[in-house]
Amino acid sequence: DADVTQTPRNRITKTGKRIMLECSQTKGHDRMYWYRQDPGLGLRLIYYSFDVKDINKGEISDGYSVSRQAQAKFSLSLESAIPNQTALYFCATSDRLAGATDTQYFGPGTRLTVL
Amino acid sequence: AQSVSQHNHHVILSEAASLELGCNYSYGGTVNLFWYVQYPGQHLQLLLKYFSGDPLVKGIKGFEAEFIKSKFSFNLRKPSVQWSDTAEYFCAVNLGRDMRFGAGTRLTVKP
Repeated sequence: DADVTQTPRNRITKTGKRIMLECSQTKGHDRMYWYRQDPGLGLRLIYYSFDVKDINKGEISDGYSVSRQAQAKFSLSLESAIPNQTALYFCATSDRLAGATDTQYFGPGTRLTVL
Repeated sequence: AQSVSQHNHHVILSEAASLELGCNYSYGGTVNLFWYVQYPGQHLQLLLKYFSGDPLVKGIKGFEAEFIKSKFSFNLRKPSVQWSDTAEYFCAVNLGRDMRFGAGTRLTVKP
């Protein structure tokens, strides 16, 4: 499903480096989300955005920042990467009009390794 | 603490066996409930969801789930699993502004 794309798909970096993960969508959805997936912990929400001017912290926002450059683009930044940020990162979108019943559509994920 | 609990971390079944994966949540009020599946090497995709009406919901690929409000549960079932059902399954609760996921259950189906 190419409606939600993430770049890069894999990234290896060193402690202290600044990293940006990008997400783009062609579904026309207002809402976008960033999650990280860790074994045994499932998905945890980092940040979410209901439109370009509405950005909110999720469960685990410390050490991360985001930018909603346009309705279709939502970037996640690690200002100074640390090893415990090694994880699989997913972007997702959903339709504002569907509200709380909305389905989230996920991108393919970015596997980030911080050495 | 409010949470979504999936009690089975890894389930191993033979083909044609019946499946039931447990999911309990601890949020009060109205909840919208989801099951997502992640096949090996792929992204998450929706299996089924419940937000109102008939508490027994049917999803893709023969899966179904039953919402039992009194038990705060939303268990996933399939009468006869196939090898292709090998995947990780996530229960999730939509709280209105964000979604909370369980830790996931890895299902391995032996041919």
